[in-house]
Amino acid sequence: EVQLVETGGGLIQPGGSLRLSCAASGFAVGSNYMSWVRQAPGKGLEWVSVIYSGGDTYYADSVKGRFLISRDISKNTLFLQVTNLRAEDTAVYYCARDQVDTGSPWPWYHYMDVWGKGTTVTVSS
Amino acid sequence: QTVVTQEPSFSVFPGGTVTITCDLSSGSVSTSYYPSWYQQTPGQAPRTLIYNTNIRSSGVPARFSGSILGNKAALTITGAQADDESDYYCVLYMGSGISVFGGGTKLTVL
Repeated sequence: EVQLVETGGGLIQPGGSLRLSCAASGFAVGSNYMSWVRQAPGKGLEWVSVIYSGGDTYYADSVKGRFLISRDISKNTLFLQVTNLRAEDTAVYYCARDQVDTGSPWPWYHYMDVWGKGTTVTVSS
Repeated sequence: QTVVTQEPSFSVFPGGTVTITCDLSSGSVSTSYYPSWYQQTPGQAPRTLIYNTNIRSSGVPARFSGSILGNKAALTITGAQADDESDYYCVLYMGSGISVFGGGTKLTVL
């Protein structure tokens, strides 16, 4: 069964850092595109970042320079290092496996097809 | 800054039809933005409904369909059911690896 389980969330002070993890089962993280999406309390979904199977990474402007997406193929796990946290980063963070349309122009179109249940990050003093 | 806009809310009677749209601040939405649609009930993870404009994800009922209507992407639910009461989000692919979510539409089944 394909499954994603996020961990690593918690209460963190402004300016602090966390590393979120997303353990995958039923497929190989290193062979797929993988995304992070977040949702602030009572708000909509926001795309955060993607890592391509070849290692290319992309970020939303709101997190560029502060967040880093990575993966450990041996552990079949996706990560999101979040630094210099602000109150507006408070959210549930979801990881997702992406599917890719290799017939689209590069960088290829990708969409989220399998989602984890999320981990909550609260930034507060 | 790219803004993707949806109707904040919609109501539909059971058995009725509703169309939720997805608009782009900087111009028209076309298939080149590969619109996708996601459903989310409160406290739950999103579920993928539609990708690449009009392709239903595995297991999604046929009453959900995607299209381009005029200059917007659209999600149509034909024959709405009670358990369709959810939030619905579109995503447009901007290229350069970047995706943008719409603000979401809260659907109430009366």
